[in-house]
Amino acid sequence: KAGVTQTPRYLIKTRGQQVTLSCSPISGHRSVSWYQQTPGQGLQFLFEYFSETQRNKGNFPGRFSGRQFSNSRSEMNVSTLELGDSALYLCASSLGSSPNIQYFGAGTRLSVL
Amino acid sequence: DQQVKQNSPSLSVQEGRISILNCDYTNSMFDYFLWYKKYPAEGPTFLISISSIKDKNEDGRFTVFLNKSAKHLSLHIVPSQPGDSAVYFCAASAKGGTSYGKLTFGQGTILTVHP
Repeated sequence: KAGVTQTPRYLIKTRGQQVTLSCSPISGHRSVSWYQQTPGQGLQFLFEYFSETQRNKGNFPGRFSGRQFSNSRSEMNVSTLELGDSALYLCASSLGSSPNIQYFGAGTRLSVL
Repeated sequence: DQQVKQNSPSLSVQEGRISILNCDYTNSMFDYFLWYKKYPAEGPTFLISISSIKDKNEDGRFTVFLNKSAKHLSLHIVPSQPGDSAVYFCAASAKGGTSYGKLTFGQGTILTVHP
């Protein structure tokens, strides 16, 4: 069974640009969660999608948005990039019910210059 | 407000000995706890989990203990192997509502197992 796939693995952008990251979950998983990992803040929850609906959102500005498609693939978008958005962005997939065991992709390393 | 804390940033252990990683939490709504291992340039890998209705769960060399009254859990690795060297994250989840799909993570503990 294929794992969680994130593309691209690395991105370099400049301030003010926007970026889209992609996540393909494990087959059969309907929930996709996104996290931001930085050295100072650790792993922070961004949002979760289940069956194309956002069920939960973390404490991030509106510049961070996402969506989920009917095949459960998810995209995350960050608009008007800031230097502080440089981070490792991780997505995780799960069945979407209890227990909440999430399986992670390798992440997208975003550098904002 | 850090709801999940791993107070030891690093731990060094000799091969063959026991590794004990600790985690404390403050939110009494957490009902499921997980441990992940992370190597550089990879995403976290699920290791083992425990429900709040249990106090112990074992899987091979890995055992997780939960003390609900103390809001404390620990991961024991016996025997430790050099390949276990990684960052270990404790995570917690609560049921439903604003907790859908959300894991709350500790800051991680770097485990180094020396041959």
